Amino acid sequence: EDQVTQSPEALRLQEGESSSLNCSYTVSGLRGLFWYRQDPGKGPEFLFTLYSAGEEKEKERLKATLTKKESFLHITAPKPEDSATYLCAVQARGGSEKLVFGKGTKLTVNP
Amino acid sequence: GAVVSQHPSWVICKSGTSVKIECRSLDFQATTMFWYRQFPKQSLMLMATSNEGSKATYEQGVEKDKFLINHASLTLSTLTVTSAHPEDSSFYICSATQGKGEKLFFGSGTQLSVL
Repeated sequence: EDQVTQSPEALRLQEGESSSLNCSYTVSGLRGLFWYRQDPGKGPEFLFTLYSAGEEKEKERLKATLTKKESFLHITAPKPEDSATYLCAVQARGGSEKLVFGKGTKLTVNP
Repeated sequence: GAVVSQHPSWVICKSGTSVKIECRSLDFQATTMFWYRQFPKQSLMLMATSNEGSKATYEQGVEKDKFLINHASLTLSTLTVTSAHPEDSSFYICSATQGKGEKLFFGSGTQLSVL
């Protein structure tokens, strides 16, 4: 069974304090690993897709990396507007397009 | 990016009534749509996958007679919660994709509260 575990569950940072969020996964053949941002009461907003170990993608203060067992979302010099829950999901090779999500990391950035 | 519109954003209903939630892809044709449910502080749990013009595929443990899904066109899917009960109260989110390997876009979600 495909599984995604995210850590920590919650993270509080001061503005400008860089850190990383972890996503560990087990999947029967990875098609893609996805990172989403979710604000309270909203649907997830797409951030990145990573397809193979060693791949990295960046967007503003965020950088996502991928290994064969885990992915990291690095946040550099975060701002209060980066506060949100960050979700990781995997998609397995095969016929289905479905995503299996982790529980997310709730990030709070204090000014 | 592609836009997925979900309506209503919140609904309150009495126990025993039915509620319909709509999910529309506004600027692309969605060959596949997914319906997720999210309880507080929990991950999104896939309920069912629907392809236009065919019956939905439900995940294990999801009652297909209770959660009716219709995907009548390439831009519209509906989820009807029939005979809703308080335990059905949750955040329901739809998502849509243009096809295999394409990005998955999410609607803004519907908060259902059953009294």
